Amino acid sequence: DAKTTQPTSMDCAEGRAANLPCNHSTISGNEYVYWYRQIHSQGPQYIIHGLKNNETNEMASLIITEDRKSSTLILPHATLRDTAVYYCIVRSNAGGTSYGKLTFGQGTILTVHP
Amino acid sequence: SAVISQKPSRDICQRGTSLTIQCQVDSQVTMMFWYRQQPGQSLTLIATANQGSEATYESGFVIDKFPISRPNLTFSTLTVSNMSPEDSSIYLCSVSRGTGWGPNYGYTFGSGTRLTVV
Repeated sequence: DAKTTQPTSMDCAEGRAANLPCNHSTISGNEYVYWYRQIHSQGPQYIIHGLKNNETNEMASLIITEDRKSSTLILPHATLRDTAVYYCIVRSNAGGTSYGKLTFGQGTILTVHP
Repeated sequence: SAVISQKPSRDICQRGTSLTIQCQVDSQVTMMFWYRQQPGQSLTLIATANQGSEATYESGFVIDKFPISRPNLTFSTLTVSNMSPEDSSIYLCSVSRGTGWGPNYGYTFGSGTRLTVV
């Protein structure tokens, strides 16, 4: 799976949009971009994923650049409960030895303040 | 998506002993995964548990230290054997959110077992 690079930490004011970047310049054609978050003392929570098109669900939006080398997770109206570590993961959905595995990097610590 | 119950939620154990962690899922799943999260670190995959076959271990993890059972499609256990303080971590199980492996499925994680070895 391709390696991802994320900023170590970010701050965001409550009610504002939080834009979390992720670089995955070595991504290959069959690899998807997944986002998870981990709130303190809990297991990771799935947020969203995409291949090449922008995606939106009830939690967030995912913007993937046309060359797919980077993406941005957008939390449109951040709340204090969104304070967490956010992980960007690139994963192939093809078969092989990496089938089903998630490789977690260090993630971005997002702090939402009042 | 699947609901996972993981037990115990936390434990304090003496070095040299073993602890078995249980992961119960409310629906049948093909593959279950066990992760370790050391203090202040990210998650690392220990092994993949498939029903009816031996678990597949990642580099740096061995069956003698982390034996895994997968007796059916809704249950798995991970044992941390002959524990030392370096084994103090959070251990988490994970399953696919859906019934397949296509691009529409992410993963659901249990709430984890916080293990402290003294």
